[in-house]
Amino acid sequence: DAGITQSPRYKITETGRQVTLMCHQTWSHSYMFWYRQDLGHGLRLIYYSAAADITDKGEVPDGYVVSRSKTENFPLTLESATRSQTSVYFCASSESTNFQGADEQYFGPGTRLTVT
Amino acid sequence: QKEVEQNSGPLSVPEGAIASLNCTYSDRGSQSFFWYRQYSGKSPELIMFIYSNGDKEDGRFTAQLNKASQYVSLLIRDSQPSDSATYLCAVKSNYQLIWGAGTKLIIKP
Repeated sequence: DAGITQSPRYKITETGRQVTLMCHQTWSHSYMFWYRQDLGHGLRLIYYSAAADITDKGEVPDGYVVSRSKTENFPLTLESATRSQTSVYFCASSESTNFQGADEQYFGPGTRLTVT
Repeated sequence: QKEVEQNSGPLSVPEGAIASLNCTYSDRGSQSFFWYRQYSGKSPELIMFIYSNGDKEDGRFTAQLNKASQYVSLLIRDSQPSDSATYLCAVKSNYQLIWGAGTKLIIKP
């Protein structure tokens, strides 16, 4: 009964390096999301996925790449990390985003990323 | 640009009093509204959602929605120190959730 997990929980990396943040959910939810959270900005959507092999950009996708080859996994890659990508990253999942649905999003514990 | 606005606070409320948290949104077409609670260093968790104008009650929590004024609020009755957290308002717009920056609530014993 793990729910939704993220790894690593903490990461320090250098500018220019590639970093991959992992997200895994055990509920078989269709939708998965990546957010970043910075002071004063709330949660900002980076990418989301409606199903395996279907992904779409959110509000702040630049500098990030995602893939979803399996329903349960949704990794986020920073191709060349920059200091502005220092943030807390949350992965979330949802059964659906039906227009009339409740669409509760369940969040992972987050990854705190520092780019030096 | 669709926006959700919240007062950042902190909002300080005595224990046992009613805490009132407010949120305004810009997209008139929004249909679903959510309140999440986030403790420091933790991830957000859903408290309530509301679709229809009026009030929706769940225990000590009441969500209020006024679509004409594009306003949604959360009332917490009999506030407890454990209610101290940041409260995030989220509005569904075009199949995505648009998030406010959150209001920090402090319940003083």
